[in-house]
Amino acid sequence: SAVISQKPSRDICQRGTSLTIQCQVDSQVTMMFWYRQQPGQSLTLIATANQGSEATYESGFVIDKFPISRPNLTFSTLTVSNMSPEDSSIYLCSVFGQGVRGRSQETQYFGPGTRLLVL
Amino acid sequence: DAKTTQPNSMESNEEEPVHLPCNHSTISGTDYIHWYRQLPSQGPEYVIHGLTSNVNNRMASLAIAEDRKSSTLILHRATLRDAAVYYCILRDRVYGGSQGNLIFGKGTKLSVKP
Repeated sequence: SAVISQKPSRDICQRGTSLTIQCQVDSQVTMMFWYRQQPGQSLTLIATANQGSEATYESGFVIDKFPISRPNLTFSTLTVSNMSPEDSSIYLCSVFGQGVRGRSQETQYFGPGTRLLVL
Repeated sequence: DAKTTQPNSMESNEEEPVHLPCNHSTISGTDYIHWYRQLPSQGPEYVIHGLTSNVNNRMASLAIAEDRKSSTLILHRATLRDAAVYYCILRDRVYGGSQGNLIFGKGTKLSVKP
């Protein structure tokens, strides 16, 4: 069964609007990571989300543009705000196995991604 | 995390072995070598990882040079399903457990011909 599920799987949005992406994990995890993968490119880390504290953003990503919520140990949301065509990407949620259900704590698991197209 | 260098693309024939190289000349003593792959339209998935000794699992083998400055991911019999982008990533063991995250380079796009 899947470790991580994401909603929506894909969406087409208009410029200037916002989209919230949900990430659900099948076990409690300490940290959740949000990545972006632009067309034809590799993955870039946006931020790390810990439950009960503010997310930590990587260089080039800001909270106003990509606000993140982490209400509990199995769930997180990423919002892409005031979208432009440059935000068209795949957004992926990721966690470590943490030794749960036989999964290695060294292994990073990824959701299927949310494919976003901004017109 | 130290940087890795991989060929942009490689081709293989189905049912033949594939050797995917990775150079990491600035690797530190506490860096683990991880390999992930990303199948088309999917998120990345773990393949294998190691520190110094060669490693085998049901998916692949990892051969690590004695000086640890390079490694090779070996797929013993490539199938069409193995067509993917393969990422070689170094991760500092100091972070351990569930701390830290993987930093992805451009990877090697493997094509498998029938």
